[in-house]
Amino acid sequence: DSGVTQTPKHLITATGQRVTLRCSPRSGDLSVYWYQQSLDQGLQFLIQYYNGEERAKGNILERFSAQQFPDLHSELNLSSLELGDSALYFCASSLVGVPTDTQYFGPGTRLTVL
Amino acid sequence: AQKVTQAQTEISVVEKEDVTLDCVYETRDTTYYLFWYKQPPSGELVFLIRRNSFDEQNEISGRYSWNFQKSTSSFNFTITASQVVDSAVYFCALSESRLGYNKLIFGAGTRLAVHP
Repeated sequence: DSGVTQTPKHLITATGQRVTLRCSPRSGDLSVYWYQQSLDQGLQFLIQYYNGEERAKGNILERFSAQQFPDLHSELNLSSLELGDSALYFCASSLVGVPTDTQYFGPGTRLTVL
Repeated sequence: AQKVTQAQTEISVVEKEDVTLDCVYETRDTTYYLFWYKQPPSGELVFLIRRNSFDEQNEISGRYSWNFQKSTSSFNFTITASQVVDSAVYFCALSESRLGYNKLIFGAGTRLAVHP
């Protein structure tokens, strides 16, 4: 158990809908990351937050947004969902969000868009 | 550009065989960090090891060992006397110091199947 929690574990929804994925980092970690794992794209970095502020952005679609709250938990919002958004979404956390950190991953949220 | 290549898509071995998973990386940075993660059938990503670019010492942890060679830009992972519980997808990943932030670039992964 990495100490990173993600809810829900599974999510099934329809095209055009909006969903919110939630992540709580390990105790003491200030930085949170979101990754998408899909069959065709593999594991891709989406976005990083540090202490409530956006630190870096990767291949995140405009339909997707995220935030980190004062209690350090994070939410990833996915809107206008398409079939291709079906994937496993991972949250990770690390101490201060610098390259020397090790990222510890949560169990993931499996999103299925029908 | 930064890139991680895991050329072996799938490997199948019989229990107790040794197996090596290859990882080749590309980076322009002089300071970088390499990682291995394990993804068992249950789906979570489990951290295995981190190696700094300035530390070329090989590492052994039980049945696991890692061979870091800067000269060939490789960071290979060997499992000795494999067990069925080692069956998983293994990912190699790279993080670059020059970016200032901590973005992991993952390889495509190697699926290891260990048969009894």
